[in-house]
Amino acid sequence: EDQVTQSPEALRLQEGESSSLNCSYTVSGLRGLFWYRQDPGKGPEFLFTLYSAGEEKEKERLKATLTKKESFLHITAPKPEDSATYLCAVQLYGGATNKLIFGTGTLLAVQP
Amino acid sequence: ETGVTQTPRHLVMGMTNKKSLKCEQHLGHNAMYWYKQSAKKPLELMFVYSLEERVENNSVPSRFSPECPNSSHLFLHLHTLQPEDSALYLCASSPPGRETQYFGPGTRLLVL
Repeated sequence: EDQVTQSPEALRLQEGESSSLNCSYTVSGLRGLFWYRQDPGKGPEFLFTLYSAGEEKEKERLKATLTKKESFLHITAPKPEDSATYLCAVQLYGGATNKLIFGTGTLLAVQP
Repeated sequence: ETGVTQTPRHLVMGMTNKKSLKCEQHLGHNAMYWYKQSAKKPLELMFVYSLEERVENNSVPSRFSPECPNSSHLFLHLHTLQPEDSALYLCASSPPGRETQYFGPGTRLLVL
């Protein structure tokens, strides 16, 4: 069964304290891996797409990396405004639709 | 990218009511999606429309009825819902030839 697991469930950091969020997956054939940010009461906001092992993408304090089994979202020197839930999703080969399988997310709280 | 709108943002309904959720995008996207987001659970894909044709129905109960009259509008008609249907309902759309899905802000539904 195709599955996406995110860890930790929740993470509390001090401002400036770098860390990483993990997204591990077991799927039949990975077409792409997506990272989203979701603020309370809002819809997910697209951050990155990764397609192949070894690929990296950066945006401000965030960097996403991909291996054959997992992806990491590295947060460097976070600020309180980085507090949100970070969602990971995978897209599989085959099928007629752009179906995404989501993890349950990591709730990040950055304290000043 | 923003530009996917959803109305209403909040909805309270009784189990015997009939209501509709509306999603709208004018981004030129040709695929639209309905997701359900419940606490502590991953986003669950409900329906996918591509070029106004339903291409996926993810084993959703018949009390949920989608409608896609054109590529810019998507509706979710609700009738005789159950309390366990209370959740955040998210609409998303994706552009032609690209897999990335862009989400609306969601409708918070409470079924009493």
